[in-house]
Amino acid sequence: ETGVTQSPTHLIKTRGQQVTLRCSSQSGHNTVSWYQQALGQGPQFIFQYYREEENGRGNFPPRFSGLQFPNYSSELNVNALELDDSALYLCASSRGRPTNTGELFFGEGSRLTVL
Amino acid sequence: TQLLEQSPQFLSIQEGENLTVYCNSSSVFSSLQWYRQEPGEGPVLLVTVVTGGEVKKLKRLTFQFGDARKDSSLHITAAQTGDTGLYLCAGPWRATNKLIFGTGTLLAVQP
Repeated sequence: ETGVTQSPTHLIKTRGQQVTLRCSSQSGHNTVSWYQQALGQGPQFIFQYYREEENGRGNFPPRFSGLQFPNYSSELNVNALELDDSALYLCASSRGRPTNTGELFFGEGSRLTVL
Repeated sequence: TQLLEQSPQFLSIQEGENLTVYCNSSSVFSSLQWYRQEPGEGPVLLVTVVTGGEVKKLKRLTFQFGDARKDSSLHITAAQTGDTGLYLCAGPWRATNKLIFGTGTLLAVQP
């Protein structure tokens, strides 16, 4: 059983650019959630995808968008990058409906630096 | 808004010492989870506490859920260097698996 994998692991962008981060969920998991974690802080919920549809969104502007594909993998897109977008972006997958408060399995994250 | 505050924010101790990390909220949570995150890695679930007053032990780690389900604590006995990491409490937003994370406690155990 493969775990959650994210790519790229590190990347550097400049203000105003766009970035796409990718996540492959753990085998058998159909729900993917994205979190933003600033250095030394707890992760903050960005949004969740279930059955290829957005299922809940945190307090993030529309320039943060996402997709889920039929194989349950997911992308996080951020447009018009700002310096404050520098963070570790974590993907987490889980099995079953989003109302199931079971365990989330996290990837190692994508470290984004915006200059 | 549901918030989870952790204390202390930073903790540096010697190997063999005991420590307690606290997670507090003004909101009631149906359950609380504790994660440990090591540098360059994602959070890894340690435990889930569900019942008010519940105590769970994981080797040298003891987790307690407050009677009112608004707070939790993590106690580590005889800390080891391998316990170093960021400890995060997290609770479900309403009845979903969208997590609200605490502010985090960065623990450094010195040899």
